[in-house]
Amino acid sequence: AQTVTQSQPEMSVQEAETVTLSCTYDTSESDYYLFWYKQPPSRQMILVIRQEAYKQQNATENRFSVNFQKAAKSFSLKISDSQLGDAAMYFCAYWTGTASKLTFGTGTRLQVTL
Amino acid sequence: DAGVIQSPRHEVTEMGQEVTLRCKPISGHNSLFWYRQTMMRGLELLIYFNNNVPIDDSGMPEDRFSAKMPNASFSTLKIQPSEPRDSAVYFCASTLGYYSGNTIYFGEGSWLTVV
Repeated sequence: AQTVTQSQPEMSVQEAETVTLSCTYDTSESDYYLFWYKQPPSRQMILVIRQEAYKQQNATENRFSVNFQKAAKSFSLKISDSQLGDAAMYFCAYWTGTASKLTFGTGTRLQVTL
Repeated sequence: DAGVIQSPRHEVTEMGQEVTLRCKPISGHNSLFWYRQTMMRGLELLIYFNNNVPIDDSGMPEDRFSAKMPNASFSTLKIQPSEPRDSAVYFCASTLGYYSGNTIYFGEGSWLTVV
């Protein structure tokens, strides 16, 4: 079974600082995709970043970047220059074509303080 | 472009009543998903469709739940009869492709409270 583990239930970061959220996954597949979604208090699921497993280069989207370690099955999210609007739940998710569904981790609640 | 549209956004209903949640996927997307989010179980996939055909409904909790996709632009998730433990946020999501790994876009969710 495919599992996604987020070991940090809560994280806190000061505004303008950098924070890294951890995610590990378990799979026997070689072709898959990884995602980070943000869920603010409004509950809407917003895509933050997407990574194809066959690409060695880490994905980046403005202040958001990932550290993808395929051998270690690790997919961490780095948020640079944190802003108050970054406060939310962050979910790591895994997709494989054989299952054709998105499997989510349990989420990390990020607080941003002044 | 319009995103995934869900209705109602909020619903409060009494136990035993029928509940119907509606979803309009992004135009051109051919895969549609229904997820449920609760504090206890997190985000769970209930069912997904590809080209209007249900592919995997193994996540549907029990016979009280049913989902349909009569055409490419509309899907419903029905709960009959509803129970308090069905209280959750129900998300509809869509994407283009099946094995593609393309980004899945979520609606804003339907908050269901069963009292």
